Amino acid sequence: NAGVTQTPKFRVLKTGQSMTLLCAQDMNHEYMYWYRQDPGMGLRLIHYSVGEGTTAKGEVPDGYNVSRLKKQNFLLGLESAAPSQTSVYFCASSYPSRAETQYFGPGTRLLVL
Amino acid sequence: GENVEQHPSTLSVQEGDSAVIKCTYSDSASNYFPWYKQELGKGPQLIIDIRSNVGEKKDQRIAVTLNKTAKHFSLHITETQPEDSAVYFCAANDYKLSFGAGTTVTVRA
Repeated sequence: NAGVTQTPKFRVLKTGQSMTLLCAQDMNHEYMYWYRQDPGMGLRLIHYSVGEGTTAKGEVPDGYNVSRLKKQNFLLGLESAAPSQTSVYFCASSYPSRAETQYFGPGTRLLVL
Repeated sequence: GENVEQHPSTLSVQEGDSAVIKCTYSDSASNYFPWYKQELGKGPQLIIDIRSNVGEKKDQRIAVTLNKTAKHFSLHITETQPEDSAVYFCAANDYKLSFGAGTTVTVRA
């Protein structure tokens, strides 16, 4: 039981490049989330999904897109990376409720030059 | 939306002393308040949570208290140990979890 895994662990991009971050969970959770973590700002929700084939915007969605084609996977895409998207990205998953524990992955550190 | 404020931003304690972190929230409809611990280079991990129908919850050396009237909740760590050094986040839910900015706790040996 690996829990929540994220790929890649670290990536350097040039401004304007695109990339996809992959999140996978093996806990059969319905809900999945993408957060970004910046110094002094805690965790901010980018997008989330309440089930396969559904996605919704969170607090800071601009510049990102997501897809949930399979229940166990949640992809975060950056179409044209900007230096402001330099951050640590965390994926999380939970059972279907607002009041359930969210399980976090180990994070992806992204540097945009 | 929900706004969670967390204090202090940094906390240094002597090993064996207690540590207290306080959070306030704005949305009276929030009913779930988890606390996460994040060690260096890792993702946040739940350490304790409390729901709105409970005023206090304890798990070994950690405890959380909730005052719904005042809209604040606190984390208490007793008999601190070096392995308690980490960043701690509080959170409250409305349609999503809203996190505080975090408290960096350092336990001095």
